[in-house]
Amino acid sequence: AQSVAQPEDQVNVAEGNPLTVKCTYSVSGNPYLFWYVQYPNRGLQFLLKYITGDNLVKGSYGFEAEFNKSQTSFHLKKPSALVSDSALYFCAVRPPGNTGKLIFGQGTTLQVKP
Amino acid sequence: EAGVVQSPRYKIIEKKQPVAFWCNPISGHNTLYWYLQNLGQGPELLIRYENEEAVDDSQLPKDRFSAERLKGVDSTLKIQPAELGDSAVYLCASSPPGQGSADTQYFGPGTRLTVL
Repeated sequence: AQSVAQPEDQVNVAEGNPLTVKCTYSVSGNPYLFWYVQYPNRGLQFLLKYITGDNLVKGSYGFEAEFNKSQTSFHLKKPSALVSDSALYFCAVRPPGNTGKLIFGQGTTLQVKP
Repeated sequence: EAGVVQSPRYKIIEKKQPVAFWCNPISGHNTLYWYLQNLGQGPELLIRYENEEAVDDSQLPKDRFSAERLKGVDSTLKIQPAELGDSAVYLCASSPPGQGSADTQYFGPGTRLTVL
């Protein structure tokens, strides 16, 4: 079955430290991969996506993600965390050949402490 | 540019009552999605429209849920009758034409439904 796993319910980091939010997927073929962020009482905001090409993708607000095909992972990273980065982060995958459906992970809460 | 608009933002109803949610996508976006997000989980697709055609409604519980996008712009999602388990956030998203599978979906703020 096609699925996305975010193994950590919550990630805690200190402001200024690097952060990583993990994501692995189980999809045959070459999927498209996405990261979204959700702030309280707001909709999901697009951060970045991997379609093809360079495995390191840069997105909004200084975030980046690294695609690793052999490990079927797409971890979200940021060199220096801000308190304002505290939010709920979702990894999503679109299987190849499917032009619409996004399969989301269960989400990871990022808590950045001053 | 205005984002995806949804109304109402919050709705509280008693079980067995009907309820409807409205979504207006970003101007020019021909693809519209309705997602269901339960507490502590990621969104799950209910239905996808390409213009006025529902091209994927395989996850829509058709015994009580219905949706329409008559003119290919705004859309309404209806539940009749609502059950306790329908309490969730209903998200609408849209994406522009021309990018195919690589398109980015832009989400509205959602409607939080509470069924008592």
